[in-house]
This record gives sequence, structure tokens and C-alpha cells, in this order.
Amino acid sequence: KAGVTQTPRYLIKTRGQQVTLSCSPISGHRSVSWYQQTPGQGLQFLFEYFSETQRNKGNFPGRFSGRQFSNSRSEMNVSTLELGDSALYLCASSRGWTPDRDEQYFGPGTRLTVT
Amino acid sequence: GIQVEQSPPDLILQEGANSTLRCNFSDSVNNLQWFHQNPWGQLINLFYIPSGTKQNGRLSATTVATERYSLLYISSSQTTDSGVYFCAVVETSGSRLTFGEGTQLTVNP
Repeated sequence: KAGVTQTPRYLIKTRGQQVTLSCSPISGHRSVSWYQQTPGQGLQFLFEYFSETQRNKGNFPGRFSGRQFSNSRSEMNVSTLELGDSALYLCASSRGWTPDRDEQYFGPGTRLTVT
Repeated sequence: GIQVEQSPPDLILQEGANSTLRCNFSDSVNNLQWFHQNPWGQLINLFYIPSGTKQNGRLSATTVATERYSLLYISSSQTTDSGVYFCAVVETSGSRLTFGEGTQLTVNP
């Protein structure tokens, strides 16, 4: 079974631009979660989507948004990029039916650099 | 929200040595996972272990849910074991993983 895939793997953007990241979950998984990893803040939860609906949201500004499609693929968008948005963005996939018990599997990540 | 603490923050070993990593959490959980972050940043699943004991080769893990801690054991360490080990939990009725700060393991030849 194929794992979680994320595209692109690397991105360099300029302050003020926007960016869209993509995540394809494991086949049959309905939940996709997004996490941000920075040296200062560690791994932090952004949001979770299940069956095209945002089910849970972390404490990030409205510049961070996401969506999920009917095939469970998910995108996250960051508008008006700031230097502090430079991070590794990780996507996790799980079955989704028992969210507090499901094992989560991570993709390889997208490394975003904002200059 | 739930708090997760990992210790030690850094660990340096000689190849062949054994080690124990600890994860304490502040509330009841239904999901506890151990990950190894590879040099390229991907989180590799080691164990899904909300309670009990599991073994996989040279690695084993134990979670004592009633006392809110988990241990990851690495035996006969190899240089390829180097990297950051994370413990992450999902609290009851939640869905988000809350991560500890990680343990940076360095295994020298």
C-alpha cells in the first residue's frame, strides 16, 4: 500500500506571497491532519479534515487554511507569507472513524523557506 | 491542553549500548505513538502503544497508562538509530497529536 505523499517537497517563497501545499493520504484513509515543525515551537497541530469537513483546528492565524476533496486529498494554503512561516509542514493520514484512537501516518513533509 | 514531557533531551551513546527514553503525559490518552524523525524530516512510526508492551526487533516500548508514562527501549544501538525520537499522544475525545520536545539521540561508532 502506498504511503502518504506530499508535494512539493521544497519551496522557496517571498514575504507577502501565498503558497499551497498538497497531501494525498493512504488509500482508504479519510482523515488528514496538518502539522508545522519549527526549531523554536516544535511540532504543532494546524488542522484536521475528515470527509471534506474541518473537524479540528489548532491555534494558528486565519492566514492558514485548508480543504479536503472528495477523494480525501487535502491542500493547505498560507496567504501573506511571513518569515516566521518558514518551517517543515507535515501531513498525517488516518482512518478517521475513531479519531482519538487512530494511528496516524506521516508524509515526507514540505520544507517551506520564506525570504 | 495535555502536556507531554520527554527525557532526556539529548543522549550520546557508543554503538552497541542500550538506552531508555521516557515520555510523561499529563492526562488520560487513548493514543500514544513513538516516532523516529529521519534526517530528511519524515516521521517514521515506531509504535502505537496506548497501553501495554510491544517489541519490534531491537526496539521495545511500554506504556503504563494509569501512571501516565511510556518508555522506549533501544538495545544494541547502531549508528543508524541516530536522530530525534518523539512521543505523541491524543487525549480522550480528541484527534490532534500533541508532541513532546523529542530526544536527540547520537550513536557514535
